[in-house]
Amino acid sequence: AQSVTQLDSQVPVFEEAPVELRCNYSSSVSVYLFWYVQYPNQGLQLLLKYLSGSTLVKGINGFEAEFNKSQTSFHLRKPSVHISDTAEYFCAVIRSQGAQKLVFGQGTRLTINP
Amino acid sequence: KAGVTQTPRYLIKTRGQQVTLSCSPISGHRSVSWYQQTPGQGLQFLFEYFSETQRNKGNFPGRFSGRQFSNSRSEMNVSTLELGDSALYLCASSYGQGPDTQYFGPGTRLTVL
Repeated sequence: AQSVTQLDSQVPVFEEAPVELRCNYSSSVSVYLFWYVQYPNQGLQLLLKYLSGSTLVKGINGFEAEFNKSQTSFHLRKPSVHISDTAEYFCAVIRSQGAQKLVFGQGTRLTINP
Repeated sequence: KAGVTQTPRYLIKTRGQQVTLSCSPISGHRSVSWYQQTPGQGLQFLFEYFSETQRNKGNFPGRFSGRQFSNSRSEMNVSTLELGDSALYLCASSYGQGPDTQYFGPGTRLTVL
């Protein structure tokens, strides 16, 4: 079975500061990794994904993430955040073969202070 | 392309009733997955349908069921509603030939009184 741990439930940062949201996963088989963002009263929007290839992946809205297989991590980063980045962020994994079932972390609430 | 659509967006029911939620996937997507989101349990997988067949199922009681039609649209049904079924129900679609990126709809907010 797969599991995902998001190490921080809440992250407050000031506007224009850099941010890192941490994600660790556990799996006995190879996985694909995703970050989704959820704005209030909305569904999940895909930020970025790692399927294979370069371990540094770039997504929408200036976010990027680095896949580290040895540390089983997939941390999300942004060099300079904006008020509009205030949202909940979810890290998720899916087996690269087999069941089409996303396993999510508990989420990190990112709050941007002016 | 239009995104994933879900209807209705909001629903209020009472205990013991049943409810049906609908999901229309992105055009060309054949896989539809359903997830339940609650503050306590987070995002949990309910089931996945591909070509009208349930391909995967999560750990939910038999009161939760679903189906998929030939046009890939999917419905989810919850019978004998309980207070704990209050949640945001999210539908996601993908091409489905293998593990793939899932695109989510806006969700249906179900409140059980």
